[in-house]
Amino acid sequence: EDQVTQSPEALRLQEGESSSLNCSYTVSGLRGLFWYRQDPGKGPEFLFTLYSAGEEKEKERLKATLTKKESFLHITAPKPEDSATYLCAVQASGGQNFVFGPGTRLSVLP
Amino acid sequence: GAVVSQHPSWVICKSGTSVKIECRSLDFQATTMFWYRQFPKQSLMLMATSNEGSKATYEQGVEKDKFLINHASLTLSTLTVTSAHPEDSSFYICSARRGQSYEQYFGPGTRLTVT
Repeated sequence: EDQVTQSPEALRLQEGESSSLNCSYTVSGLRGLFWYRQDPGKGPEFLFTLYSAGEEKEKERLKATLTKKESFLHITAPKPEDSATYLCAVQASGGQNFVFGPGTRLSVLP
Repeated sequence: GAVVSQHPSWVICKSGTSVKIECRSLDFQATTMFWYRQFPKQSLMLMATSNEGSKATYEQGVEKDKFLINHASLTLSTLTVTSAHPEDSSFYICSARRGQSYEQYFGPGTRLTVT
């Protein structure tokens, strides 16, 4: 069965304090791994797609990396507006549905 | 690009009535649309997948006679919650996939409260 876990469950950072979020997955053939940001009461906002081990994507203060078993979302010098829940999802080969992780709630304090 | 809208953004209805939620892809054609349900502080739970012109595929445990999904065009899918009960109160979110890409683009969600 395809599974996705995320750690930590919640993370509090001071503004400017860099850190990383983890997404670990077991899937029968990875078609893609996806990162989303979700603000309270809103739908998830697409951030990145990673397809193969070794791939990296960057957007502003965020950088996503992928290995064969996990993905990291690195946040460099975060700002309070980066506070949100970050969701990781995988899509297995042969399927069209996402399997979502439980998310990491990030709070960045000024 | 890749904007998805939902309407209404919130709705309150009485127990026993039906509610329809619309999901539209505004600037692309959506070959596949998905409906999710999300409880407070929990992740998204897939309810069903719909392809334009085909019957929706429901996840195990989701009552297809209660949650009616229609994907009538490449830009519109609707979810109708029939005979709603308080336990159906939740945050419903749709997503759409553009062409053959794998990314899903999400709508802003609809908060349903059944009294």
